[in-house]
Amino acid sequence: KQEVTQIPAALSVPEGENLVLNCSFTDSAIYNLQWFRQDPGKGLTSLLLIQSSQREQTSGRLNASLDKSSGRSTLYIAASQPGDSATYLCAVRGREGGSEKLVFGKGTKLTVNP
Amino acid sequence: ETGVTQTPRHLVMGMTNKKSLKCEQHLGHNAMYWYKQSAKKPLELMFVYNFKEQTENNSVPSRFSPECPNSSHLFLHLHTLQPEDSALYLCASSRANTGTYEQYFGPGTRLTVT
Repeated sequence: KQEVTQIPAALSVPEGENLVLNCSFTDSAIYNLQWFRQDPGKGLTSLLLIQSSQREQTSGRLNASLDKSSGRSTLYIAASQPGDSATYLCAVRGREGGSEKLVFGKGTKLTVNP
Repeated sequence: ETGVTQTPRHLVMGMTNKKSLKCEQHLGHNAMYWYKQSAKKPLELMFVYNFKEQTENNSVPSRFSPECPNSSHLFLHLHTLQPEDSALYLCASSRANTGTYEQYFGPGTRLTVT
């Protein structure tokens, strides 16, 4: 059964700092990996989607990498801003029990202090 | 509105009530999903509909009853819920339930069962 782990559970940094969020998964047979952002009490906003054949994706100040063989992904945020404060969720899509599912980690709560 | 919308945004109900959550997607997608997000736990997939057919029931208790009348609308009918069912219920959609497509999430319904 796929399990997704995100470390750290919470992170607090000063504005302007570059930071890395980590995601690991136990079953490397995935179709893709998706990073989401969730603001308090709100739904999820998709940030980046990396297909299993890709190594990384970039969007603005965000860069996500994928090492499928080792079951790891990182989300790099450059020059962090207070507006980046949110919970960041990692999810992998794979086949389980005969159907495709998106399996989520518990998230990393990021606070960027002005 | 664009994207994925959910109503109501907040709902308080007693254990003997019957209520329904509504989700609508304006993205032309063919797959829709219900997820449950409880405090301190990862998002849990509840149901999947692909081209209006239910393709996944992730061992959800029968007090939750989904309905998908067409590809744009998804309902979650609730009856005789328990306090532990209090959570954020998120709806999502994607072009189809296959590995290559991103899932887009609505803002969620915050449900409190008293």
